[in-house]
Amino acid sequence: AQSVTQLGSHVSVSEGALVLLRCNYSSSVPPYLFWYVQYPNQGLQLLLKYTSAATLVKGINGFEAEFKKSETSFHLTKPSAHMSDAAEYFCAVSARSGGSNYKLTFGKGTLLTVNP
Amino acid sequence: DAGVTQSPTHLIKTRGQHVTLRCSPISGHKSVSWYQQVLGQGPQFIFQYYEKEERGRGNFPDRFSARQFPNYSSELNVNALLLGDSALYLCASSSGLVAAYTDTQYFGPGTRLTVL
Repeated sequence: AQSVTQLGSHVSVSEGALVLLRCNYSSSVPPYLFWYVQYPNQGLQLLLKYTSAATLVKGINGFEAEFKKSETSFHLTKPSAHMSDAAEYFCAVSARSGGSNYKLTFGKGTLLTVNP
Repeated sequence: DAGVTQSPTHLIKTRGQHVTLRCSPISGHKSVSWYQQVLGQGPQFIFQYYEKEERGRGNFPDRFSARQFPNYSSELNVNALLLGDSALYLCASSSGLVAAYTDTQYFGPGTRLTVL
């Protein structure tokens, strides 16, 4: 079974500072990993996904994540935070849900606050 | 192009009632998944449908059911509502044309269900 742990339910940074959101996974097979962002009262938007092509994945809005197998991690970073980055971020792993079908298993989320 | 649409946006029901939530996928997408997101938690997988057939089911009681129509839209039904069913219900669509485990899911804005 696959699972995801997001370390830190709330991260607060200053505008212009580095953003680091942590995600560790557990998987019995090579994982496929995703980061989604959720703005207040909205659905989830895909930021980036790792599908084994490259360990450093670049996404939208300047975000990137690095897959580290030895550390079972897939941390999300952005060099310089903007006020508009304030949202909840979810890490997810693609997990088998039966037969050849897959589902997303999400972490509990990290709320990012950006201070002026 | 229109994204995933869901209706209604908000719904208030009382315990014991029945509710139907609706979802229209992105044009050309054949797979629809449903998720429940309780306040402060990550989304939890409920169902996945592909080409009108159920392809995956999460750990939810039989009070939850769903179906997919020939135009690939979908309904989620919940019977005998409990207070604990209060949540944001998210629908996601994907093409279903690529390997399932890497298939990007696109989320709708959700239906906020409140059970009193």
